[in-house]
Amino acid sequence: QKEVEQDPGPLSVPEGAIVSLNCTYSNSAFQYFMWYRQYSRKGPELLMYTYSSGNKEDGRFTAQVDKSSKYISLFIRDSQPSDSATYLCAMKSTPFSGSARQLTFGSGTQLTVLP
Amino acid sequence: EPEVTQTPSHQVTQMGQEVILRCVPISNHLYFYWYRQILGQKVEFLVSFYNNEISEKSEIFDDQFSVERPDGSNFTLKIRSTKLEDSAMYFCASSEAGRNQPQHFGDGTRLSIL
Repeated sequence: QKEVEQDPGPLSVPEGAIVSLNCTYSNSAFQYFMWYRQYSRKGPELLMYTYSSGNKEDGRFTAQVDKSSKYISLFIRDSQPSDSATYLCAMKSTPFSGSARQLTFGSGTQLTVLP
Repeated sequence: EPEVTQTPSHQVTQMGQEVILRCVPISNHLYFYWYRQILGQKVEFLVSFYNNEISEKSEIFDDQFSVERPDGSNFTLKIRSTKLEDSAMYFCASSEAGRNQPQHFGDGTRLSIL
């Protein structure tokens, strides 16, 4: 079983739609969860960072974590053509594990928002 | 907004040659990282570096690879005796010192081994 699984898409939605992006994981040691956005020929850009179960909101973006189900989501409200990118989930373990610094990434979901 | 910068953006090297990829982390950051993304695959962790030594490394980061902070601003990844399978995007990242600080990435160097 892969440590982090992410639906690769591609996902195509009309402008203004609500987008839901999801990742599941198998490693219970993962305690910190991130969403990165990656435009073509660019590096991953941090969007959201959370470490507790529940929701965290930042503008049009909401990150949701359910540690009991080992499931995280990113919701994008009122999606815009400029949101078209690949979205990567990433996770890391507790500070006291041997791999506390390394991020484990999902495979990325390619999103296109059509005007 | 401060950013991580990487040079060159694209490096083409003959198989068997050595290559050095360069990064300038964000100035007040103390942890530095290298990740690799082979075309069509996930971003993979290679190594983290703090206080002039490696703090964590993955199985990928074998004796072919080395990292160095040659001065107060640069962080480098050296790949010796490059192989075709080393062709990938290499991303540098940095973070502040706290355990829970997020990592910020550069735009990567695309390494092509011929």
